[in-house]
Amino acid sequence: EVQLVESGGGLVKPGGSLRLSCAASGFTFSNAWMGWVRQAPGKGLEWVGRIKSKTDGETTDYGAPVKGRFTISRDDSKDMLYLQMNSLKTEDTAVYYCTTEDLSWWGQGTLVTVTS
Amino acid sequence: DVVMTQSPLSLPVTLGQPASISCRSSQSLVYSDGNTYLHWIQQRPGQSPRRLIYRVSNRDSGVPDRFSGSGSGTDFTLKISRVEAEDVGVYYCIQATHLSFTFGPGTKVEIK
Repeated sequence: EVQLVESGGGLVKPGGSLRLSCAASGFTFSNAWMGWVRQAPGKGLEWVGRIKSKTDGETTDYGAPVKGRFTISRDDSKDMLYLQMNSLKTEDTAVYYCTTEDLSWWGQGTLVTVTS
Repeated sequence: DVVMTQSPLSLPVTLGQPASISCRSSQSLVYSDGNTYLHWIQQRPGQSPRRLIYRVSNRDSGVPDRFSGSGSGTDFTLKISRVEAEDVGVYYCIQATHLSFTFGPGTKVEIK
């Protein structure tokens, strides 16, 4: 059974940093392109970014609102996906979902609240 | 970025009746490999989203056959042949052809 379990969410001040983690199981993680999607409270879904597999260059792509501030990385030896978030803004407050890049599998989400 | 629009944004439906959601993109979603990366996502209240339909018309495993997707180019439709209570939620289309991927605003389906 495929499982994606996010962790690392919490309260952070504007300008601060936070790293989210996603533990993957039930599939060959090293072959998978992975991504993050977020959802602000009461709002719709927003694509954050993706990372390709190592075989495909491990390159990353990001949505405009987070480009230059967020970094997606992976550790295939641990089946882990990460989202490093820097220079956080209040508008980054959202539930962050770990997903396979094709959106076929989603985690339960972790809440990030950016507030002073 | 490609802009995705959906209509209606709110859809009250009688149980057992059909429902239809339109999704339009600001440019063609046909990728260079010939595929169209337009997916439909369902989010039930209080739950994580899940993919229902991928590449326009392919149902994901476990998705009831009352759900169907169609369309091409810039114009797509999700249909529910007979709405059931468990179909209540918000439905999003997403284009994954052009970077960065973009979601539609969502259509809220509720029971009348």
